[in-house]
Amino acid sequence: AQKITQTQPGMFVQEKEAVTLDCTYDTSDQSYGLFWYKQPSSGEMIFLIYQGSYDEQNATEGRYSLNFQKARKSANLVISASQLGDSAMYFCAMREGRRSSASKIIFGSGTRLSIRP
Amino acid sequence: GAVVSQHPSWVICKSGTSVKIECRSLDFQATTMFWYRQFPKQSLMLMATSNEGSKATYEQGVEKDKFLINHASLTLSTLTVTSAHPEDSSFYICSARKGLDTEAFFGQGTRLTVV
Repeated sequence: AQKITQTQPGMFVQEKEAVTLDCTYDTSDQSYGLFWYKQPSSGEMIFLIYQGSYDEQNATEGRYSLNFQKARKSANLVISASQLGDSAMYFCAMREGRRSSASKIIFGSGTRLSIRP
Repeated sequence: GAVVSQHPSWVICKSGTSVKIECRSLDFQATTMFWYRQFPKQSLMLMATSNEGSKATYEQGVEKDKFLINHASLTLSTLTVTSAHPEDSSFYICSARKGLDTEAFFGQGTRLTVV
C-alpha cells in the first residue's frame, strides 16, 4: 500500500503567486516525521522543511511552510511568492517510527512544479 | 554544514562489468547511510540501509548479490553494481543522517548507463 501520496503529477503556476503542493500519508505509528525535498533537473535532493508528528505548530522555513493536518494525515507544502528558480520536482517524504539513525525515509511519487514568467 | 559527496556523478560501463559508487559524509560521521534508485520521472526507491561495521539491510526485491553495499567507516559507504546489465541503468543516490537529526542529507547522485 502506498504510504505517501502526491496526487498532482505536474503543476503550472505564475511567478510571484503562492502554490500548494499536496501530500497525504498513511501510517499507524504515533511518532513519525514528514519532509519535503526539492529536486532540480541536476538531480540533487535539497531538503526544504520538516514537520514532526508531535509538533503543534506548522513548520516554516523562509518562503516554505508546511500545512500539517494530522487528523486528515496531510502535509501540504506551501510556497509563497514563487520564483522561476522554484521550478523543479518536489517530493514529500516520511520517516516512520521514532527518530533513530536507522529509521527509513520513504518518498512519494513527486510533483513537477513549473513557474511561468 | 552537512555535506554528502557522491562519486562518480556519472558513469558509462559495458554490460557484464562491475561499477562502484562511493558516498562520503564530508563534515560529519554517519552511522547510517541509505541508497536509493530513481528511474526517469519516478520517485526515489529505497534499496538498502547501510550500517557502519555491519551488513546492509536490503529492501524487499533488491538483490543483495547484485548490489553490494559496504560501509567500512563512519564517513564512507560504497555501492557496487555487479555484472551490470542495461536494465541497471538508473540514477543512484545516497543519503546520510547525522545521528538522530531529523533530515537526511543527500549526495549529488550517480547516473549509471550500462551499454
